[in-house]
Amino acid sequence: DVKVTQSSRYLVKRTGEKVFLECVQDMDHENMFWYRQDPGLGLRLIYFSYDVKMKEKGDIPEGYSVSREKKERFSLILESASTNQTSMYLCASSLGQGDLEDEQYFGPGTRLTVT
Amino acid sequence: GQNIDQPTEMTATEGAIVQINCTYQTSGFNGLFWYQQHAGEAPTFLSYNVLDGLEEKGRFSSFLSRSKGYSYLLLKELQMKDSASYLCAVRDPAGGSYIPTFGRGTSLIVHP
Repeated sequence: DVKVTQSSRYLVKRTGEKVFLECVQDMDHENMFWYRQDPGLGLRLIYFSYDVKMKEKGDIPEGYSVSREKKERFSLILESASTNQTSMYLCASSLGQGDLEDEQYFGPGTRLTVT
Repeated sequence: GQNIDQPTEMTATEGAIVQINCTYQTSGFNGLFWYQQHAGEAPTFLSYNVLDGLEEKGRFSSFLSRSKGYSYLLLKELQMKDSASYLCAVRDPAGGSYIPTFGRGTSLIVHP
């Protein structure tokens, strides 16, 4: 079974702090994703990566950056946290490699509160 | 651009059948996904449709009509544990990306 883990389930940070959210997958997947999920807005893509050291902006990248130094790890960075970044953050991975179906496997999520 | 619509909330009775609809307007199409998400948990993959027709997996079936931009998820013999949010996601390669875009999800409440 694919396992996607996230470093924290709950996180409370202060406005202006630098925040790191870590995600690790154990199935040698090429693709990794960061989403945020807010009530009434659904899942929105922040960034994704299709290879080590490669990254692409999603629909809402402003205020975020990412890092993928190793294939299994994808980090989301909030350079200076703001209250409007309070949300549930979900990491996902998918096989890639031309797989037609290429369904995504999600981590348990990190609920971030910025005060 | 992409526009994916699902009802916000549905209720149904245990043992019954429920159909959750998803309509989409995209420039291109390369597959439609359904995911299930229980409260406080991660979404999990349910089904994938890329050709027209019905795909059946046990109590769950998913249907696709590409010409109508329409899909539905059919849940039979509903159980209380089916209470969850159901997410429709469409993959549109027209913009050069194969990343699916998610609808806002349908919250299904199953009552006794």
